[in-house]
Amino acid sequence: GAGVSQSPSNKVTEKGKDVELRCDPISGHTALYWYRQRLGQGLEFLIYFQGNSAPDKSGLPSDRFSAERTGESVSTLTIQRTQQEDSAVYLCASSPSGGALYEQYFGPGTRLTVT
Amino acid sequence: DQQVKQNSPSLSVQEGRISILNCDYTNSMFDYFLWYKKYPAEGPTFLISISSIKDKNEDGRFTVFLNKSAKHLSLHIVPSQPGDSAVYFCAASVGGNNDMRFGAGTRLTVKP
Repeated sequence: GAGVSQSPSNKVTEKGKDVELRCDPISGHTALYWYRQRLGQGLEFLIYFQGNSAPDKSGLPSDRFSAERTGESVSTLTIQRTQQEDSAVYLCASSPSGGALYEQYFGPGTRLTVT
Repeated sequence: DQQVKQNSPSLSVQEGRISILNCDYTNSMFDYFLWYKKYPAEGPTFLISISSIKDKNEDGRFTVFLNKSAKHLSLHIVPSQPGDSAVYFCAASVGGNNDMRFGAGTRLTVKP
């Protein structure tokens, strides 16, 4: 079946511009996670959605970052006024309801480059 | 603040030999640990996990060892196969919550 998909796969933007990254989770998965991986670093948790509950935004690094998810479908991660330090691979993962941590299924990521 | 560290960015082993990937952590509250494997252009996929109540978990060719006193875990792959060539991430969490902390990854190359 279809896995988690993300678009675009690559994005190059100028400093100061806004970008939107999209994640399509596996159908039926109620939980959705965003992570980022900067060069030479581990995956960094950003935000978590679970069904209709309030999202866990504790990992968002600044108020320039926001994410939305409508129901149990697509999520968009928006970065406003991008900075060079935002350059990273942004990964999305989804998991079934009540799934254990290991049941996170990752997408291929979006590589963001801010010039 | 990197709470999970993989100090070896790369490792190369011969096919058939053992691969040992290491991971250190600083937060003594971590009680659940996972290893993920990542191929190029794909997202990480879950490989094996261990809870802090255990010191070893085995799944086929893959074994994870946990040394809580040293805050160290390792992944052993034996025998290593060329298809094991990938980047391996270790991850840790407290109480299985959502804020999982990942290491930077180790690139394993298994030579035929």
